Amino acid sequence: GAVVSQHPSRVICKSGTSVKIECRSLDFQATTMFWYRQFPKQSLMLMATSNEGSKATYEQGVEKDKFLINHASLTLSTLTVTSAHPEDSSFYICSAKLTHGTSTEAFFGQGTRLTVV
Amino acid sequence: GDSVTQMEGPVTLSEEAFLTINCTYTATGYPSLFWYVQYPGEGLQLLLKATKADDKGSNKGFEATYRKETTSFHLEKGSVQVSDSAVYFCALSDRAGAQKLVFGQGTRLTINP
Repeated sequence: GAVVSQHPSRVICKSGTSVKIECRSLDFQATTMFWYRQFPKQSLMLMATSNEGSKATYEQGVEKDKFLINHASLTLSTLTVTSAHPEDSSFYICSAKLTHGTSTEAFFGQGTRLTVV
Repeated sequence: GDSVTQMEGPVTLSEEAFLTINCTYTATGYPSLFWYVQYPGEGLQLLLKATKADDKGSNKGFEATYRKETTSFHLEKGSVQVSDSAVYFCALSDRAGAQKLVFGQGTRLTINP
């Protein structure tokens, strides 16, 4: 299957700093990528839909100025957590949409564990 | 809005035991249903899917049937192996194929030899 690479897999940062997470589709082009967040023992919650060459679409309740998304190419989307606080500590995971023929499937990165101290 | 409710874990079984992980959903329209698996240190992988009522998805010995009347998509395997230890997520998406997924909370499965 298609491969999506997410980097870094773990990051620890100080409060007030910004952290960038990258999501790359390695062997296909993805016009659409998705960013999810998972709290302990809870579901993955969709944060935003990242569209190549245009602004991301954020889900209700997600602060777009805090979670900056850039989808500058067909193989790369980035999520920047700005002015991070301990409550931003979470597991962030991206997926990329691949459409082949009449079938559409989402391929996931391995996730990023963010800890803000 | 749409939602998915999964059986709470963790679930611990012995090798060769029968597995069922329950999943029910609430959705408008006719969603597609999925089971994803996350092995330790890896990303989510699609395990199986069903796109319409009464469809059965199957892969690696796992099966799940799309039951519209009970709004369920329970995951089953007749004989589990240690290598099946992972976290399993039930999910749905709209039929338009937008691939915005709504997930259940995940069920951690541990299989003991």
